[in-house]
Amino acid sequence: NAGVTQTPKFQVLKTGQSMTLQCAQDMNHNSMYWYRQDPGMGLRLIYYSASEGTTDKGEVPNGYNVSRLNKREFSLRLESAAPSQTSVYFCASSERLPIIRNEQFFGPGTRLTVL
Amino acid sequence: QQQVKQSPQSLIVQKGGISIINCAYENTAFDYFPWYQQFPGKGPALLIAIRPDVSEKKEGRFTISFNKSAKQFSLHIMDSQPGDSATYFCAAEASNFNKFYFGSGTKLNVKP
Repeated sequence: NAGVTQTPKFQVLKTGQSMTLQCAQDMNHNSMYWYRQDPGMGLRLIYYSASEGTTDKGEVPNGYNVSRLNKREFSLRLESAAPSQTSVYFCASSERLPIIRNEQFFGPGTRLTVL
Repeated sequence: QQQVKQSPQSLIVQKGGISIINCAYENTAFDYFPWYQQFPGKGPALLIAIRPDVSEKKEGRFTISFNKSAKQFSLHIMDSQPGDSATYFCAAEASNFNKFYFGSGTKLNVKP
């Protein structure tokens, strides 16, 4: 049971290049999320997917696209990378459990630098 | 506009002391308030959480205090240990939103 996995762990891009960050979870969760973490800004939601086949914008969606490939996988794409997208990206998944608690499980993160 | 405001940004506490981190929110639709702990190079992990029907929740050395009328909640770490040194995030969720709003984080350093 690996939980939430992310690839790659590190990436350096040049301005204008594109790339896709991969995320997979093996907990059979319906909901998946992409966050970016910047110093002093906390975790900001980029996109989320409440269930397979649906995606919605979060707080900072500009410059990103997502694909919920199936229940397990949720990818984040940068079409034309900009230095402002230098950040640490986290994928998370969750399942709403009535009464008990709603816990988001996070992956280990992808550290992205855009030169 | 940040939905959840967290303070302080950083905190230094001596071993055995009490660490206190505060959060405030505006949206009265929020009904679930978790705290996440993050160690360097790792993803955040759930530490403790509270719903607004109680004013306090304790798990070991960690306590959440919740003030519904003031729309504030705080994390207290009793007998702080160097192993507690990490970044702590408060968050808030509303049942019909299906997404979390996180505070800006507090970097805690517990000195031996």
